[in-house]
Amino acid sequence: EAQVTQNPRYLITVTGKKLTVTCSQNMNHEYMSWYRQDPGLGLRQIYYSMNVEATDKGDVPEGYKVSRKEKRNFPLILESPSPNQTSLYFCASSRPGQGNEQFFGPGTRLTVL
Amino acid sequence: GEDVEQSLFLSVREGDSSVINCTYTDSSSTYLYWYKQEPGAGLQLLTYIFSNMDMKQDQRLTVLLNKKDKHLSLRIADTQTGDSAIYFCAESIRQGGSGGGADGLTFGKGTHLIIQP
Repeated sequence: EAQVTQNPRYLITVTGKKLTVTCSQNMNHEYMSWYRQDPGLGLRQIYYSMNVEATDKGDVPEGYKVSRKEKRNFPLILESPSPNQTSLYFCASSRPGQGNEQFFGPGTRLTVL
Repeated sequence: GEDVEQSLFLSVREGDSSVINCTYTDSSSTYLYWYKQEPGAGLQLLTYIFSNMDMKQDQRLTVLLNKKDKHLSLRIADTQTGDSAIYFCAESIRQGGSGGGADGLTFGKGTHLIIQP
């Protein structure tokens, strides 16, 4: 089944404790991206990646890192999480080019205390 | 920068039509999308429209695009309780440079559709 998976689905952590949210897709998509969803703000893009070793900042990259060592994986790294990073995070992937549907993962709900 | 605006709430009676409106700013957007998010769930692509089209119909869904006014609407006919969700309007934004690239998405804040019995 074609899908985007994220782990963990739920995470409660404390300020400053490094964490990684994994994202994996099995559709051989070149393009992957991360969004965060906050009430009243909709979804905002954090980072995106056009292909392996090609990443770029989205609209709200501060406090986040990503890597793209393999085509299927695009982890989101929070080196020193803070409470303002409490949010719902979505990973997405698509083929390159215009008009290609982005497939979204199920979301990771992160709480930083 | 790009901006997508939509009202936060819409309340309709079951069986009536729902019309969710959206305005966007990037005239170069090639595609415009409607996503649905049910409570506690991820995002589901409902429908999309290419920027050179005025209308697209898919069963109970009708999308209207006024490119001159940068206005997009989603009409849901015969609204049912299962339509209760947050609906996001999104415009495509070109990412990755002119040599290839892909479409990222700029989302609106989402419209909560509330169905009254």
